[in-house]
Amino acid sequence: KAGVTQTPRYLIKTRGQQVTLSCSPISGHRSVSWYQQTPGQGLQFLFEYFSETQRNKGNFPGRFSGRQFSNSRSEMNVSTLELGDSALYLCASSTGTLSYNSPLHFGNGTRLTVT
Amino acid sequence: DQQVKQNSPSLSVQEGRISILNCDYTNSMFDYFLWYKKYPAEGPTFLISISSIKDKNEDGRFTVFLNKSAKHLSLHIVPSQPGDSAVYFCAAKDTDKLIFGTGTRLQVFP
Repeated sequence: KAGVTQTPRYLIKTRGQQVTLSCSPISGHRSVSWYQQTPGQGLQFLFEYFSETQRNKGNFPGRFSGRQFSNSRSEMNVSTLELGDSALYLCASSTGTLSYNSPLHFGNGTRLTVT
Repeated sequence: DQQVKQNSPSLSVQEGRISILNCDYTNSMFDYFLWYKKYPAEGPTFLISISSIKDKNEDGRFTVFLNKSAKHLSLHIVPSQPGDSAVYFCAAKDTDKLIFGTGTRLQVFP
């Protein structure tokens, strides 16, 4: 079974630009959640999608948005990039929503650098 | 405010010895806890979990202990192996999301 696939692996953008990251979950998984990892901050929850609906959102500004398609693939968009958005963005999929105790399966992440 | 804290950013242990990674939390409503391991350039992988109704869960070399009164959990790895060298994150389930700690980098040396 293929794992969680995130594209691209690396991205360099300039301040003020926007970026779209993609995540393909494990086949059969309907929940996709996104996390931002920065040094000293651990993994910060961004949002979760289940059956094309956003179920929950973390403490991030509205510049961070996402969506999920009918095949469970998800995209995350960050507009008006700031230097502080430089981070590793991880997506994870699971069989059930985060309300259930289903372990998350993570992709290898997209390393975003904002210059 | 960090609700899940891993106060030791790094830990160095000799191969064959026990590794103990610690995690503290502030919210007594957390009902499920997990540990993830992360190698460089890879995503975190699930290691072991424990429900708040238990105080211990064991899986091979890995054991997680939960002390609810102290709001503390720990991960024991016995015996430690060089391949265990990675960053370990603890996480707590808060209703409908996971809250992660900042991670502890474990280095196991020969």
